[in-house]
Amino acid sequence: NAGVTQTPKFRVLKTGQSMTLLCAQDMNHEYMYWYRQDPGMGLRLIHYSVGEGTTAKGEVPDGYNVSRLKKQNFLLGLESAAPSQTSVYFCASSEGHQNTEAFFGQGTRLTVV
Amino acid sequence: EDQVTQSPEALRLQEGESSSLNCSYTVSGLRGLFWYRQDPGKGPEFLFTLYSAGEEKEKERLKATLTKKESFLHITAPKPEDSATYLCAGTGTTDSWGKFQFGAGTQVVVTP
Repeated sequence: NAGVTQTPKFRVLKTGQSMTLLCAQDMNHEYMYWYRQDPGMGLRLIHYSVGEGTTAKGEVPDGYNVSRLKKQNFLLGLESAAPSQTSVYFCASSEGHQNTEAFFGQGTRLTVV
Repeated sequence: EDQVTQSPEALRLQEGESSSLNCSYTVSGLRGLFWYRQDPGKGPEFLFTLYSAGEEKEKERLKATLTKKESFLHITAPKPEDSATYLCAGTGTTDSWGKFQFGAGTQVVVTP
């Protein structure tokens, strides 16, 4: 049982380049999330989805877009990467009830130079 | 605005030296208070969920407790393998509806 899988694990981008991070979950979860983690700042929510075809903004959405065309996949896009987007990105999923835990992927380390 | 604050930021313990981590929260209509463990280079791993004040949960050397304003993670007689960053998060009925509000974490180092 794979759980939550993120692709790629590492990436280096030049300023202005675009890329898409893929998150896939095999637990039939309704909710999916994208967080970024920076030293001393904890996990900050970028965007999330409460079901297939839905997306919503989190705490730090600027510079990112997302899509949830299939229930099992949640894509995070950077249209024009900036050095401030250098971070570790985590995808997570949960059943969707307010009292059930989220399961996290292994993370994507992105460096923008 | 919902907030979760953890203290201390870092904690260095000798093996066998028990201690507690604090998670204070201001989450409207708290539905769940979650504790996670995160090892370097990995994603957070779920430990506990607490739902109501007075609730306690245990797993090996870890025990989590919840009051109306804060949660504690007690580490009893820690071992070096307990070294990790411990995160807490809350879900609620207003700002945090449908999402997890995380604290910045407490980095724990246990030395032999």
